[in-house]
Amino acid sequence: AQSVAQPEDQVNVAEGNPLTVKCTYSVSGNPYLFWYVQYPNRGLQFLLKYITGDNLVKGSYGFEAEFNKSQTSFHLKKPSALVSDSALYFCAVRDPGTASKLTFGTGTRLQVTL
Amino acid sequence: DSGVTQTPKHLITATGQRVTLRCSPRSGDLSVYWYQQSLDQGLQFLIQYYNGEERAKGNILERFSAQQFPDLHSELNLSSLELGDSALYFCASSPWDSASGEQYFGPGTRLTVT
Repeated sequence: AQSVAQPEDQVNVAEGNPLTVKCTYSVSGNPYLFWYVQYPNRGLQFLLKYITGDNLVKGSYGFEAEFNKSQTSFHLKKPSALVSDSALYFCAVRDPGTASKLTFGTGTRLQVTL
Repeated sequence: DSGVTQTPKHLITATGQRVTLRCSPRSGDLSVYWYQQSLDQGLQFLIQYYNGEERAKGNILERFSAQQFPDLHSELNLSSLELGDSALYFCASSPWDSASGEQYFGPGTRLTVT
């Protein structure tokens, strides 16, 4: 069975500093990996995905993520955090060998302060 | 705005009752997905429809059912409601039934069972 772990419930970072939100996954084959962001009282918004190819994936709002197969990780990063990045971030995985079921992590709350 | 609409935004009902949640996917999207988000269970995939047919099932209770109509809108029916069914219910859509495609989420329906 596929699974995703987001080991940190909350990440705190000062504005202007780099941020990392961690994600590790478990699937039987090659994974499809996604990051979504949820702002208060809103639905989830797609940020970026890794399907194949370059391990560094660039997405919306200056976010990027690095796929590391040996460490089964897909950490979300941004070089310089903004207060407006404060939100709930979800990592998700899908095993392309199974029916189209997306499995989400428990979410990490990012708090960016001035 | 993702283009996915959900109604109603909020729903308060009593235990034992039955409710229907409605979702209109983005224009042209054939796949509709339903998710439940609660504090204790996180974000859980319930069910997927593709062009009117059930495509994948997740952790959906037997008291819950869904359908997708010829105009591609979808309804999630929840019956014999229990306190534990209180949650945020999201609908998402995507153009195809593709494991590599991202999903576009609606704003959600917050269900409160009293």
